[in-house]
Amino acid sequence: QVQLVESGGGVVQPGRSLRLSCAASGFTFSNYGMNWVRQAPGKGLEWVALIWDDGSKKYYADSVKGRFTISRDNSKNTLYLQMNSLRADDTAVYYCVTMVTVTAVSWFDPWGQGTLVTVSS
Amino acid sequence: DIQMTQSPSSLSASVGDRVTITCRASQSIRNYLNWYQQKPGKAPKLLIYAASSLQSGVPSRFSGSGSGTDFTLTISSLQPEDFATYYCQQSYITPPWTFGHGTKVEIK
Repeated sequence: QVQLVESGGGVVQPGRSLRLSCAASGFTFSNYGMNWVRQAPGKGLEWVALIWDDGSKKYYADSVKGRFTISRDNSKNTLYLQMNSLRADDTAVYYCVTMVTVTAVSWFDPWGQGTLVTVSS
Repeated sequence: DIQMTQSPSSLSASVGDRVTITCRASQSIRNYLNWYQQKPGKAPKLLIYAASSLQSGVPSRFSGSGSGTDFTLTISSLQPEDFATYYCQQSYITPPWTFGHGTKVEIK
């Protein structure tokens, strides 16, 4: 079955870096755009970044632009998020999410189980 | 950026009730509107895409409607497993893909 498994979360000090990974299985990973979406404790959902299926285009939320980098390795069916210059307000559960697009309409499905990143001194 | 406004932010309802959640976009998004359900400690799950298309495996008591700026998610007969938080999301003018702030459905 389709599965997305995130890893790499943890506690990190402000200003430091962390890299998240998402291992995909059960579908043709290289055919889909992939996203990172985050959710701060007790808050709503915030889209973070998208990478096209072939990695040729990347988009970022203004809140992370210049600090985070999304990438993928289609040979390993793995999505990454390199997070630099972390701040306390980056504390959140980070979800790896597949984007499905049909005749220009897109939606997010499925979602991984999430990995918690806590930025604290 | 397109802003998505959900109402109410929370509601209390009983099993068997008909529940309606609304989502308004700050400008027209045609039918590029999706709905997700999130239970505590779990990842969101897609319910409805393109405003009114039911995702495979989702019970038929869930339905979506609307176009342009105003959308609704309806649960025709609330079941115990439906107590959760519901989010709308627009995918018309992107990036960013923006979500509503959520509607928490609680037990009365």
